[in-house]
Amino acid sequence: AQSVTQLDSQVPVFEEAPVELRCNYSSSVSVYLFWYVQYPNQGLQLLLKYLSGSTLVESINGFEAEFNKSQTSFHLRKPSVHISDTAEYFCAVSGGAGNMLTFGGGTRLMVKP
Amino acid sequence: DAGVIQSPRHEVTEMGQEVTLRCKPISGHDYLFWYRQTMMRGLELLIYFNNNVPIDDSGMPEDRFSAKMPNASFSTLKIQPSEPRDSAVYFCASKGGGLKAGELFFGEGSRLTVL
Repeated sequence: AQSVTQLDSQVPVFEEAPVELRCNYSSSVSVYLFWYVQYPNQGLQLLLKYLSGSTLVESINGFEAEFNKSQTSFHLRKPSVHISDTAEYFCAVSGGAGNMLTFGGGTRLMVKP
Repeated sequence: DAGVIQSPRHEVTEMGQEVTLRCKPISGHDYLFWYRQTMMRGLELLIYFNNNVPIDDSGMPEDRFSAKMPNASFSTLKIQPSEPRDSAVYFCASKGGGLKAGELFFGEGSRLTVL
C-alpha cells in the first residue's frame, strides 16, 4: 500500500516571496511522483512529474520539485510566487501493481499582494 | 482535442431523487476514472474502468452509487436515491497508453448539491 502526506493544508504567502509545499510518501515499491494543480472551479492539471532520471524536475511556470528517496519526499518549490499561483496543489504517487495514483490531501496556496 | 467533458457542471436536487452524471473521455484513452472531492474527505477515487470494463469499484461508497461505461466514449455515474451527504464535486478523468505512470486528464467536474 502507498500513502501521501501533505503536511500543510494552507500556505499563505506574499507575492514575490519563495514558497515550499511539502509532500512525503510511503511505499514499499519504486514510485512515480506527481504534482497536480487545481485552480478555482476547475479540474486538476498536471504540473510536473518524476518518473526516473534527474531527481529535480521543473514545470513551465517556474515550479520545481526534487525527489528525495532517503527522506521519501517530493517537495514543491518556487523562488518567487505570483498572484496567479493561488490554487490548490496535490501531490500524488503511483507504483506497484496497477500503478494507481494515490493523492495527498492537498495544500491550498494563497498568494497575497 | 476538447479534453474530458463532463455534464452537468452544476446540479441541485432534492434528497431521494436520482442523479446521473456524464463523462466523455479523451478519444483514444483506455482508462477512465471517477473521483469525488469534498472539503472533509479530499479527493477520493470511486471507480475506474479499463477498456470499458470496471476494474476496481472499492471506492464506491454504497449501493446507491453505480457507474457504467457502455462504450469507449461515454460513462455515467448514477446516485439513486441521493442524500445530502452526497453533495460534492465529482470529477471524471481519463488516461491513455496503458496504466504505467503517466498523466491523468481531468474534466472540470460536476458540482452536486443535494438538499
